[in-house]
Amino acid sequence: GAGVSQSPSNKVTEKGKDVELRCDPISGHTALYWYRQSLGQGLEFLIYFQGNSAPDKSGLPSDRFSAERTGGSVSTLTIQRTQQEDSAVYLCASSATGQVNQPQHFGDGTRLSIL
Amino acid sequence: QKEVEQDPGPLSVPEGAIVSLNCTYSNSAFQYFMWYRQYSRKGPELLMYTYSSGNKEDGRFTAQVDKSSKYISLFIRDSQPSDSATYLCAMRAPGPGQFYFGTGTSLTVIP
Repeated sequence: GAGVSQSPSNKVTEKGKDVELRCDPISGHTALYWYRQSLGQGLEFLIYFQGNSAPDKSGLPSDRFSAERTGGSVSTLTIQRTQQEDSAVYLCASSATGQVNQPQHFGDGTRLSIL
Repeated sequence: QKEVEQDPGPLSVPEGAIVSLNCTYSNSAFQYFMWYRQYSRKGPELLMYTYSSGNKEDGRFTAQVDKSSKYISLFIRDSQPSDSATYLCAMRAPGPGQFYFGTGTSLTVIP
């Protein structure tokens, strides 16, 4: 399809395990964002990639969280040594250029449950 | 103080009613304002996108921005059960980086 694609759609794992979440942005979009949405909470910014620039990692909650974007397209968010408080929906969004007048388009998220 | 404040509701209205959803913000640098609709177990979907103060209309939806009061609104006319969703406001300042989101208002339109 033409939209942002995220996988897996659901992930259940045991506390302490590592998880990888994948985002495939809209083709040609240079800006990519990761957010976390917890029940009853708004969207919490995690990290932002713009082209070949260094990513803005200011929203990552701890050093257990990391993300990379290969070839300016697909991105992977990795959570190491997962904790129960990591349970949330992880949303990815992309925008055409990252300029202020370009809105974001979201995927349907990965629902992560830590047992 | 949060960058963006939004009443979480829940809001319940009869079909056909006019709905008003609101957000306030504290950062005068915000220039671009968006409203997203999010259905259960889906990602947010962009509804309206505005720049500067004033009104923007798209079908049954009207977005209003008052920069002097740091206040934005989304009006839904002739509300339908299919409008039942969570509505998120979002805004952004110039330069690279993040968008700021409200916590969302849950709306139910009763047939």
